[in-house]
Amino acid sequence: DGGITQSPKYLFRKEGQNVTLSCEQNLNHDAMYWYRQDPGQGLRLIYYSQIVNDFQKGDIAEGYSVSREKKESFPLTVTSAQKNPTAFYLCASSIEGGLAGDGNEQFFGPGTRLTVL
Amino acid sequence: KNQVEQSPQSLIILEGKNCTLQCNYTVSPFSNLRWYKQDTGRGPVSLTIMTFSENTKSNRRYTATLDADTKQSSLHITASQLSDSASYICVVSAWGWGKFQFGAGTQVVVTP
Repeated sequence: DGGITQSPKYLFRKEGQNVTLSCEQNLNHDAMYWYRQDPGQGLRLIYYSQIVNDFQKGDIAEGYSVSREKKESFPLTVTSAQKNPTAFYLCASSIEGGLAGDGNEQFFGPGTRLTVL
Repeated sequence: KNQVEQSPQSLIILEGKNCTLQCNYTVSPFSNLRWYKQDTGRGPVSLTIMTFSENTKSNRRYTATLDADTKQSSLHITASQLSDSASYICVVSAWGWGKFQFGAGTQVVVTP
C-alpha cells in the first residue's frame, strides 16, 4: 500500500446522504487519482488531480466531487446524485500526472468499500 | 470499448503448477505496460513494467513478456503458491497526459 492511506476501510451510506472518503499520501507525489472498481470491470477513473488546487473529471465523474487543497490530500465526496454508489473505491498517486513515462508508476491505497443501505 | 482485454477471466490451478495470463491492448501511442497484483479487498501492487523496447522482464516467479507489434503481453507464474491467489491486472499507458487504461483482471485461485 506504499505511503497512501485511505479511510475508512468500510463505509455505509443511507439513501440521500453525502459521504466523504479520505485519501492521504506522504510520497510527495504531485498527481492523485480516484478510481471505482466493480466486479468484472476494470478500474474506472472518477477524478484526477495533476497539481494542488487543480483537478479534472475522469470518465465517470457524475455524482462525485473532489478537492485538492493540500498536496497530501485528495478527498472524494459521493453525493446523493450518485445513483449506484456501492463499490470499492481506490485512491492512487504518481510522481507526476503530465506524462506516462517509465517511472510514472501509480501507487494505490488499500481502498474503501462503500455500501448503500 | 475497453482498450485493454484480459483472458481468461478466471482460472484455478494446483499449487506448484505454472500458468500464463494474457493481455491484449489497442492503446496508442504506447508508452508502457504494467502488471499489478491485487489481493482481495486491497489495493493493486505493481509487479512489472515494460516499455516498448523490452520483450521480457522477471520479478521472482513472475515473468512478463511484451510483443509491441501484435500489442500483446503475457504474465507467467512459475511454481505457483497459495499466496499467488489474487486478481492480476494489466494496465497500459499512452504517451501524452498519462491516462492509464485498465483491464478487468484475471482472477487466479491456487488450490492445495
